[in-house]
Amino acid sequence: SQQGEEDPQALSIQEGENATMNCSYKTSINNLQWYRQNSGRGLVHLILIRSNEREKHSGRLRVTLDTSKKSSSLLITASRAADTASYFCATYDSGGSNYKLTFGKGTLLTVNP
Amino acid sequence: SAVISQKPSRDICQRGTSLTIQCQVDSQVTMMFWYRQQPGQSLTLIATANQGSEATYESGFVIDKFPISRPNLTFSTLTVSNMSPEDSSIYLCSVEGLAGTDTQYFGPGTRLTVL
Repeated sequence: SQQGEEDPQALSIQEGENATMNCSYKTSINNLQWYRQNSGRGLVHLILIRSNEREKHSGRLRVTLDTSKKSSSLLITASRAADTASYFCATYDSGGSNYKLTFGKGTLLTVNP
Repeated sequence: SAVISQKPSRDICQRGTSLTIQCQVDSQVTMMFWYRQQPGQSLTLIATANQGSEATYESGFVIDKFPISRPNLTFSTLTVSNMSPEDSSIYLCSVEGLAGTDTQYFGPGTRLTVL
């Protein structure tokens, strides 16, 4: 089954720096969603980008989608210590079960003050 | 987004027992889902909770082990039956269909430890 794969698995940066996380997937998608999870708690939805979109912004977040390369990136600008969390991409399949989100393994981001 | 609550938030259970987790949403939603997140791992979909009919289970998950109820459009339960230490995970419910969107929103999760 398809699965988003994030890289890097772990990223450690200093406060104020930018953080970039990448996600690759294998088959056609309707959309791709990014989530944040703090310390094993519930997931917070960050951004949804559709297959016909190439870039979306939300505050300090910028998401790109390249369907030809089957990849997406999440950029967090001017990072803060509070951004420390695990970040997951999830793909929404365009065929078969339209309601299934498939999650990648996640990137653990640590922002050092 | 909606307010999604789960009960209990955490529990420690003995091997061989069962635990029922509740998920409540503050508005009616079309789709509700249950996920499992094993320690240090990503999320895996267990099943789609269908209102008024049997849940749709993903490969590797069966109704006898994870019975699910969905009596209405705002509530669902997941039972983890005959638990073993391998069932120690975070269990999360999610909802979709708020305001006609296809965004999935997640509850806070239930952290289960089986001794």
